Amino acid sequence: DTGVSQDPRHKITKRGQNVTFRCDPISEHNRLYWYRQTLGQGPEFLTYFQNEAQLEKSRLLSDRFSAERPKGSFSTLEIQRTEQGDSAMYLCASSLHRTGNAVANTEAFFGQGTRLTVV
Amino acid sequence: GQNIDQPTEMTATEGAIVQINCTYQTSGFNGLFWYQQHAGEAPTFLSYNVLDGLEEKGRFSSFLSRSKGYSYLLLKELQMKDSASYLCARRGGGNKLTFGTGTQLKVEL
Repeated sequence: DTGVSQDPRHKITKRGQNVTFRCDPISEHNRLYWYRQTLGQGPEFLTYFQNEAQLEKSRLLSDRFSAERPKGSFSTLEIQRTEQGDSAMYLCASSLHRTGNAVANTEAFFGQGTRLTVV
Repeated sequence: GQNIDQPTEMTATEGAIVQINCTYQTSGFNGLFWYQQHAGEAPTFLSYNVLDGLEEKGRFSSFLSRSKGYSYLLLKELQMKDSASYLCARRGGGNKLTFGTGTQLKVEL
């Protein structure tokens, strides 16, 4: 399977615990995105990387959230001191970005997501 | 979704045609995407428009008018499996996609 993969698929945690999710993008893709989706809503942008550089973080992302992509391949998203409001589907997506040629850039391919439930 | 508007729900009959509209903020626009999402699954790519006009892809077509900040997704010969949420997404800076809340399409017999 050469698509975007996320692990785990499901996570149930107690309030106050820390959780970490992993995303493995499509191998040749240089851009990696994290989104959060709640029921009945579209995905909300959290952050994105180009290679190992984190280029943008949403203002929605509190200090409890941190993301890394240390070698420009897989990425991790950590949530510290989880709250019930963090319960959502966390989606990772990747794309190939070619500078200066918007038409040639690929669409974003999504992973299956990690469903987080904070109890 | 911020600055993306699409209807919340639509219902259509199997075999019919349905058009799902989307309006978006035009500043910093860099492409318009449509994704399909079945319940509990990841969004899957359907279509992409960056220039004005109609893009046809089998039973699905997508239209874009950049000056009007308007797009639509047209689904022909509807099948029961087309029941899903259809997400309109605008690409802006950084290739970042901003999604609408999605249109829940229900296909009935």
